[in-house]
This record gives sequence, structure tokens and C-alpha cells, in this order.
Amino acid sequence: GESVGLHLPTLSVQEGDNSIINCAYSNSASDYFIWYKQESGKGPQFIIDIRSNMDKRQGQRVTVLLNKTVKHLSLQIAATQPGDSAVYFCAERGNTDKLIFGTGTRLQVFP
Amino acid sequence: NAGVMQNPRHLVRRRGQEARLRCSPMKGHSHVYWYRQLPEEGLKFMVYLQKENIIDESGMPKERFSAEFPKEGPSILRIQQVVRGDSAAYFCASSLDNYSGANVLTFGAGSRLTVL
Repeated sequence: GESVGLHLPTLSVQEGDNSIINCAYSNSASDYFIWYKQESGKGPQFIIDIRSNMDKRQGQRVTVLLNKTVKHLSLQIAATQPGDSAVYFCAERGNTDKLIFGTGTRLQVFP
Repeated sequence: NAGVMQNPRHLVRRRGQEARLRCSPMKGHSHVYWYRQLPEEGLKFMVYLQKENIIDESGMPKERFSAEFPKEGPSILRIQQVVRGDSAAYFCASSLDNYSGANVLTFGAGSRLTVL
């Protein structure tokens, strides 16, 4: 069945460093991927998305990389700030209309 | 644009009572999704609705749970005879159109159900 999983449940980085959050997915038919950020007590917030016909997309301080060969997705955050501390989820859209979410990675930023 | 509005934000129920969670999608959005999130876990899909239609309820428990999205008014997630295992955060999301390119779901702030 469809599943999305993450390699690291918690990632601790120092302020100013770059962060890389990884995600593995299992459905090779998935054509669309999104990264969401969820702060404590809040709903998920859209960060960046990528379609399967791309392998890289950049936003403001964030970059998403897609490797379809190994079914791997990553989120890179440049110059990580304390406000980046949150749980990050990747999500994929496969054969159905719904998004399937991964377990999540908690990013902790230390001064 | 008020975004996706969910209420109540917090709901406490005793075992056996009913819980009703409401979701008003973003203005112009006709697709509504409900997800459940247990503490320290990811979001699990429950149901996908369009106006007056349930499109996909594959994530809904077979008993006690129901959802609707009437022609007028908010979408309702209803849990009958709640049990402690129903305690979770329930998130609603909406989208404009599933196949209009990017299918970005906009989430509400969630409704946190506690069953005593």
C-alpha cells in the first residue's frame, strides 16, 4: 500500500546552519509532493511543493529535492532560524485524490 | 480571507457522548478533507468530501464516525459514543480543485478532542 516515512524523527541544528530533512515514499505512481510545517498547537502550514516531472524546486530559504529513482524527497532549509523549529511533514499524492502524510521530523534549532 | 475555520478548538467529552466537529472551508473551496492526528504522530487521512458528496471515506472507522458536507453550511465530522481512543486532534483542510495543477491543501487550526 501507499506509505510515506521519514529517516530521522528529530533533527537538532544550530542557528545559522543548514538543515536537511529527508523523506522516503513507496508509491512510484505519486505525482505530487508537498512539505508542510506544523508548529505546536497549530495546523500544518504549506512550505513548498514539487511535481514529479521536476527534481528540484527552490523557494525562499527552502529547497525541495526529488529523486524518483530511489523514491526520496528532501527539504533543505538554509540558515536555519529559531522560528524554523517545528515538525515537518512530507506528503504525497498517489493514485487517489488524497494526500498521504509521513510520520514527521521534529526540527530543533539551538542558539 | 479567513482561511479554514474549525470549531470548537477544544472539546471535552465523556465516554459514550457524541462529538461534533465543524469545518468551514476557505471561500471558494469546494473540496474538504478530514485528518486525524495522535500526539507525536503524523496526519492520517479520514475522509474526502465535496458538496453533498462523500468521495473517499477509506480512512473512516466503519462504526461511530460519519461526515457530511451539506450544500449550505460547514462540513461536520460526527463521532458517536466516543471512547478514549478517539482523543486526538482533528484537522480539516480544503482545496479549490483537485486537478487544477497544484493541489495545495489549506489546513485549519484543528479541533482537539479529549475523551474522559
